[in-house]
Amino acid sequence: DVVMTQTPVSLPVSLGGQASISCRSSQSLVHSNGNTYLHWYLQKPGQSPQLLIYRVSNRFSGVPDRFSGSGSGTDFTLKISRVEPEDLGDYYCLQSTHFPRTFGGGTKLELK
Amino acid sequence: EIQLQESGPGLVKPSQSLSLTCSVTGYTITSGYDWSWIRKFPGNKMEWMGYISYSGSTNYNPSLKSRISITRDTSKNQFFLQLNSVTTEDTATYYCAKTDYWGQGVMVTVSS
Repeated sequence: DVVMTQTPVSLPVSLGGQASISCRSSQSLVHSNGNTYLHWYLQKPGQSPQLLIYRVSNRFSGVPDRFSGSGSGTDFTLKISRVEPEDLGDYYCLQSTHFPRTFGGGTKLELK
Repeated sequence: EIQLQESGPGLVKPSQSLSLTCSVTGYTITSGYDWSWIRKFPGNKMEWMGYISYSGSTNYNPSLKSRISITRDTSKNQFFLQLNSVTTEDTATYYCAKTDYWGQGVMVTVSS
């Protein structure tokens, strides 16, 4: 299985500040079709995960441009600028290039 | 808007089978996409369990070996999870999902 190493586990932030989460895969996530299937989710307390970014850098419908995704190959980053209270929760990366699909271990974004 | 809703018992005895239903509205599951089951364990680890595609083919996480089965009822626009021979290690919140939309989840406890 592809191991997704997500860091940090916990990320204290100040409102209005910036946050950066890393996700590294044990092998390249470039599919044979040339696409890279690395996605980012946010799970707010008491809710189900919601898609933020799909295929590395594409914001899902309704996601503010404060969220941005980048990376390639095995190294990916989610950045959140101007953190707002509704951004707090657990963030996960997911790869669906390889079988089986695998998740990162999660990052808890919390107030400093 | 696509909506997914899980249903099923919240308590299952060890060695028995866990059966869950995912009801989909806003999209016909035979029209496209893969329809997955994902679970989140206490401690926050996420595991992709498997999917049934729009064509009816299935793909399962090898970690679940022969215990898992995902089927569907196209007349009701539902798909189902069956997990056999459960143990306390299968205690988790179970989600049905496509990449961009998830259900609210159902907590299942395996206990005698």
